[in-house]
Amino acid sequence: ETGVTQTPRHLVMGMTNKKSLKCEQHLGHNAMYWYKQSAKKPLELMFVYSLEERVENNSVPSRFSPECPNSSHLFLHLHTLQPEDSALYLCASSQDLFMTGGWQETQYFGPGTRLLVL
Amino acid sequence: QKEVEQDPGPLSVPEGAIVSLNCTYSNSAFQYFMWYRQYSRKGPELLMYTYSSGNKEDGRFTAQVDKSSKYISLFIRDSQPSDSATYLCAMTVPTGGGNKLTFGTGTQLKVEL
Repeated sequence: ETGVTQTPRHLVMGMTNKKSLKCEQHLGHNAMYWYKQSAKKPLELMFVYSLEERVENNSVPSRFSPECPNSSHLFLHLHTLQPEDSALYLCASSQDLFMTGGWQETQYFGPGTRLLVL
Repeated sequence: QKEVEQDPGPLSVPEGAIVSLNCTYSNSAFQYFMWYRQYSRKGPELLMYTYSSGNKEDGRFTAQVDKSSKYISLFIRDSQPSDSATYLCAMTVPTGGGNKLTFGTGTQLKVEL
């Protein structure tokens, strides 16, 4: 496996369910991100981790709970979601969080998990 | 007002056409500008990356930044059906941004045979 992988690719859940999204990066990167992509809306940054520490929580409801057990893995735990949470959830990683050498760190995205909340 | 405005399309062009994709922005602190391409059922992938104003060319793709007008463009020459995708512009500030990207909504492009 190379790059950034995400499982599952598709998920249907009821509002009372609990599920988890998994992201794994095989690039040796130190920073990882969760984004939400809804139709006709810009990508919304949800969480940022750098060296397994959460450095950003972008006013995300508590029904979304991230976990980063090591620099290669990132989880998004979901519980009591609402139908408006249906979206594509993208994971990304970058070598480091902040700029190095005067250049902005490139973020590499996984294929996403398509989530439908019924 | 949104920080980044991008026409969602869809934009449909014949094969071989020159395509122009555009974004406008309101935050004059943005200095790094990116274009991502997102194929259906895939995540975005970085296509072009420019710093400050000017042009950058890579094969059939040219990225252009006009900071005075707060306007960026991506030109695709000799467009191919394989260019059919959604194109997202993204931008960020040079310091203190923590690698936080601000994205446009994306423009859906279809290149027809």
